Amino acid sequence: QKEVEQNSGPLSVPEGAIASLNCTYSDRGSQSFFWYRQYSGKSPELIMSIYSNGDKEDGRFTAQLNKASQYVSLLIRDSQPSDSATYLCAVTNTGGFKTIFGAGTRLFVKA
Amino acid sequence: SQTIHQWPATLVQPVGSPLSLECTVEGTSNPNLYWYRQAAGRGLQLLFYSVGIGQISSEVPQNLSASRPQDRQFILSSKKLLLSDSGFYLCAWSEILEGYTFGSGTRLTVV
Repeated sequence: QKEVEQNSGPLSVPEGAIASLNCTYSDRGSQSFFWYRQYSGKSPELIMSIYSNGDKEDGRFTAQLNKASQYVSLLIRDSQPSDSATYLCAVTNTGGFKTIFGAGTRLFVKA
Repeated sequence: SQTIHQWPATLVQPVGSPLSLECTVEGTSNPNLYWYRQAAGRGLQLLFYSVGIGQISSEVPQNLSASRPQDRQFILSSKKLLLSDSGFYLCAWSEILEGYTFGSGTRLTVV
């Protein structure tokens, strides 16, 4: 079983729609959860951090965490073509020193 | 503010040649430092992490090694490169349980 799983996509949404990205993880003791955006050929960029159950909103982005279900999601509202990228879910292990990344979901936003 | 520098940006090396990639962080003390590798179209694989000078933890058995000679310097090395060492190498730093800031990456092609 992979430690952090994501649907590889691609996920295609029209401009202005809501994009929903999902992630599950296996380590029940995980403490920190992150979403990174990676444009083709570039390094990942941290866009959201979430540490407790519930929702966290930052601009057009909302991260959702459900520790009981071991599930993390990212919602992107009013999607723009510039949001087209690979989104990586990442989970920090129980010890707090290592972060495990999912393989990423490719998102295409059609103009 | 904190910045992370990674070089070189691209590298083409013959099989059997040595490797040295360097990463430095500015604006913070005693950061956690990481080396990740991303194969084409794949997720990020943790190679090494360090929580202090001279302290290196290896995650994947391979012909690579890492060193941390100074607090904010992290070096990835190999004595003899293999074709399978090709990939996108990323250095990152973080505080414990926090998200990563990645360097701009080194794209290594072993020929």
